[in-house]
Parts: sequence; structure tokens; C-alpha cells
Amino acid sequence: QKEVEQNSGPLSVPEGAIASLNCTYSDRGSQSFFWYRQYSGKSPELIMSIYSNGDKEDGRFTAQLNKASQYVSLLIRDSQPSDSATYLCAVNSGTYKYIFGTGTRLKVLA
Amino acid sequence: SQTIHQWPATLVQPVGSPLSLECTVEGTSNPNLYWYRQAAGRGLQLLFYSVGIGQISSEVPQNLSASRPQDRQFILSSKKLLLSDSGFYLCAVGGRRDSPLHFGNGTRLTVT
Repeated sequence: QKEVEQNSGPLSVPEGAIASLNCTYSDRGSQSFFWYRQYSGKSPELIMSIYSNGDKEDGRFTAQLNKASQYVSLLIRDSQPSDSATYLCAVNSGTYKYIFGTGTRLKVLA
Repeated sequence: SQTIHQWPATLVQPVGSPLSLECTVEGTSNPNLYWYRQAAGRGLQLLFYSVGIGQISSEVPQNLSASRPQDRQFILSSKKLLLSDSGFYLCAVGGRRDSPLHFGNGTRLTVT
């Protein structure tokens, strides 16, 4: 069974701090990695995609991928109360299936 | 850009009643279509996916079924709902196999 693991949290950080969210996956053949943000009662929305080892930055968000260690992380700089949400990690192994983690709940304290 | 329509937004149904949820997509051709379910406080569970008209792959054996009668239409059905069918049902659209999924607004189903 291919799995994607995330700490459920909640992860609490003060406003302005860096939030670090982590995800590990079991399938070494995984090729595509995605981070989604899901506000309570809403559907997931895509934040970042990453396909190669290393860092990818988009505004306040940085995704980091290490295929050798089978983990992907998301850093949120200058965290804002509006960033409070559940963050889902998703992995694709080059098939039509996308496997999602159960998500990490982030709380940014004003 | 593509638009994903899902309806209804919320639904309350008694146990044993039938179900039909519809998802339609605009702004793209020959999309890969997905149905996910999210139970309260849980992760996303893949139910069905489709790579073309009439092509349905089922991931979880249960009392749900899916159909794709048109290129941009995906329907989730049940003949008799169970209490355990309650959840947040999400339609998603994908393109190439390495591209991300995009989700509709979802249908919150409560089976009573």
C-alpha cells in the first residue's frame, strides 16, 4: 500500500514566523509532488508543485524535495493568520493515481 | 482556464435512498476526472477515476458507482446510501499524469 504520511498537528506558530510542514512517502517511484491548502469546509486548492530535488520558491512559499530520503516539505515565511488551514501533501507515481496525506493543521497565532 | 461545476453543494439524505452527484468541467478537453471522498477529520480517499468516456476505474469496492457519459461529465451514484457514505465529495480534474489535480467546490453529504 503506497502511503503518504503527515503529522496531523496542530502546528502553532506566531505571526511572522516560518512554518515548516513535512511529508514522507513510501513509493520510491514517485515523480510528482504537490502541496494543497484546505480551509475548513472548503475544497483543497493547489499551492505548489515540485518535480526535482531541491527547493522551489513561490512568493512566501518554498517547497523542498529530497527523493533519496523520500520526503517533501513546505516552508511558509512570514506566516499570517490567513495561512491557518490544513495543508495536504499529494504524490503521483507517474500513473493516474494521486495519493494524499491526511494533512497537517496549521494555526498562525496573531 | 478550466472551471469545475459540482452540485449540489450540500445534501441530506436518509439511509437507503439513492444518490446522484454530478460534476461538469469547462475549458478543457479530454480531462482525467476523479471522485474523492473526505470523511470528517480524515484524508482524501480516491473513489473513482476516468481517463475517457465510459472508462471508469474503481479504487474502493463499496456501494458507490461512477459513470462518464460525456467527455466533461462525471457522475457519482448509489442505489442505497449507508450512514458511512456521509462525507465531503470532491470532483477533481487532471491533465497529464504529472500535472496537479484541481478540485471543484465539493458536495457535503449527510446520510441520516
